[in-house]
Amino acid sequence: DIQMTQSPSSMSVSLGDTVTITCRASQDVGIYVNWFQQKPGKSPRRMIYRATNLADGVPSRFSGSRSGSDYSLTISSLESEDVADYHCLQYDEYPYTFGAGTKLELK
Amino acid sequence: QVQLTESGPGLVHPSETLSLTCTVSGFSLTGYSVYWVRQPSGKGLEWMGRMRYNGDTSYNSALKSRLSISRDTSKNQVFLKMNSLQTDDTGTYYCTRDLAHWGQGTLVTVSS
Repeated sequence: DIQMTQSPSSMSVSLGDTVTITCRASQDVGIYVNWFQQKPGKSPRRMIYRATNLADGVPSRFSGSRSGSDYSLTISSLESEDVADYHCLQYDEYPYTFGAGTKLELK
Repeated sequence: QVQLTESGPGLVHPSETLSLTCTVSGFSLTGYSVYWVRQPSGKGLEWMGRMRYNGDTSYNSALKSRLSISRDTSKNQVFLKMNSLQTDDTGTYYCTRDLAHWGQGTLVTVSS
């Protein structure tokens, strides 16, 4: 199975920060990476699809990028509503696999 | 409007079989794939399997021996059955269309 190594596992952040979360794929998954946001007690929300595409309704301060087997989610000018857990997912090959998640916490 | 709603027993005893239903509206199961994803309490997400629009299924290799996904297109329902449940199967189970539209999740507790 493809492993998605996500880092960091948690991050202490301040409002207005630029935040970057990264997932490294254990083998080539091309552009087939999604990023999800999840708030406590809520279902995941797709933020980025195909590595770099902003999902409908997602603020433009969110962006996705790829460098080789490294995939990143960047949040520019962090707002309070962005404090949540974030998960990456590869869907190039079955079984699809998620990263372990990143928890953003306010300082 | 796309909607997915999970339903199930809430509490399952160890070694028993879990049966969950995902009832969908706003789209046809013959046009879109539906996935099952679960999340142990306080932990990350795990992809369980998929019912493709054409009826094909794929499963997480770690669960494949215990897991079955089926559907009834006339009732707009996708079913998950997993046997030999243990306490570490406790968590929230989600169905999702294309990983873009998600149900609210259903909490399953495995306990005697």
